[in-house]
Amino acid sequence: DAKTTQPNSMESNEEEPVHLPCNHSTISGTDYIHWYRQLPSQGPEYVIHGLTSNVNNRMASLAIAEDRKSSTLILHRATLRDAAVYYCILRDIRPNQGGKLIFGQGTELSVKP
Amino acid sequence: GAVVSQHPSRVICKSGTSVKIECRSLDFQATTMFWYRQFPKQSLMLMATSNEGSKATYEQGVEKDKFLINHASLTLSTLTVTSAHPEDSSFYICSARIPYFVGTERKAFFGQGTRLTVV
Repeated sequence: DAKTTQPNSMESNEEEPVHLPCNHSTISGTDYIHWYRQLPSQGPEYVIHGLTSNVNNRMASLAIAEDRKSSTLILHRATLRDAAVYYCILRDIRPNQGGKLIFGQGTELSVKP
Repeated sequence: GAVVSQHPSRVICKSGTSVKIECRSLDFQATTMFWYRQFPKQSLMLMATSNEGSKATYEQGVEKDKFLINHASLTLSTLTVTSAHPEDSSFYICSARIPYFVGTERKAFFGQGTRLTVV
């Protein structure tokens, strides 16, 4: 499985934008970039995913580098409820890869009032 | 949106007993579900892939006789921790993905997790 590298932790102030980086230099052409987040004592929650183009949804934006070796999750206005561990995951969509998500260590985001 | 429900959310059992955890996809059929385990302050570790109507596929190092997985229907997968010991105490999480449509990438949905404590 192609690996991702994320900072262990980041801090943000409430109502300010947050940029969470992810490096995936060994990404292959069949890897989608997924982001999930996990609040304390809960299962992970889907945030966003993309392949090559930047993506936006109601939760966040995903900026993907042109060479696809890195990506950035953008929370436009952090709230206290956004404090969580954010996981950047590559998912190989080839049928023989099983469709599983392999979690790395993630980035623990803390949001200060 | 699609929901995955896990039950129970919390269970305490005595050492040597078995515990069953259920994972249900509430509004979609899931031919494949995934089981994870998470220890405190650590990331999720994939244990096995549960396939409806066939045997589960276990990740390396996971004992299939200890962690029995049954996926008897398109909406239910169960994980049974047999002869539980204190070191099996962990947060167990299941996941399912909405059915595949050609040309689309699917997101995964996760259960709320089951906190198992073996005493």
